[in-house]
Amino acid sequence: GQQVQQSPASLVLQEGENAELQCSFSISTNQVQWFYQRPGGRLIGLSYIPGMKPTGKQTSSTVTKGRHSSLTISSSQTTDSGTYFCVLSILATGGNNKLTFGQGTVLSVIP
Amino acid sequence: EAAVTQSPRSKVAVTGGKVTLSCHQTNNHDYMYWYRQDTGHGLRLIHYSYVADSTEKGDIPDGYKASRPSQENFSLILELASLSQTAVYFCASRKYRDQDTQYFGPGTRLLVL
Repeated sequence: GQQVQQSPASLVLQEGENAELQCSFSISTNQVQWFYQRPGGRLIGLSYIPGMKPTGKQTSSTVTKGRHSSLTISSSQTTDSGTYFCVLSILATGGNNKLTFGQGTVLSVIP
Repeated sequence: EAAVTQSPRSKVAVTGGKVTLSCHQTNNHDYMYWYRQDTGHGLRLIHYSYVADSTEKGDIPDGYKASRPSQENFSLILELASLSQTAVYFCASRKYRDQDTQYFGPGTRLLVL
């Protein structure tokens, strides 16, 4: 089965609403990250720019406890639309970490 | 931010044909990766490399070869393209010491007919 489960699979928000994206995983991990992908675009690690949304504005927070992580998007904007991936960093052979991706949550924010 | 570019950005190939996808990074990163993205599956690792002239198998290497002729360049080769290889392919790179920080290219959309 899937090692990384994300929910919901898709979500529609009215602009200004908040949402919490969920991630559960069945394997041990060194780190959980969240990536954002604009439709047809490249993946961007949300943690690379602490406190910032992909749009450049203030983002929400991530919480990871045990084998669960959540990403809260507050005061959503249409520019937040895209796919959000929960990504686990797992120790692989040779001592190098590898990234394991969830299937993503597709977020649509409508005006 | 690391600069990772891919070419072509999209390609249509015929079944049984050879396809080469190219990736170039300009930030002197040691590691480079190839992933494929299918709807509902997130990204899955095909091949990776931690040094020039060496490649390693990822989770789904069957049907793919990889080549790392230099630190900056990493290619993914489909010797005999199949319908099931229709997907979006992403290249990524990272520094040796940044275990969890990968920078992704814009992706290549491949359609095999």
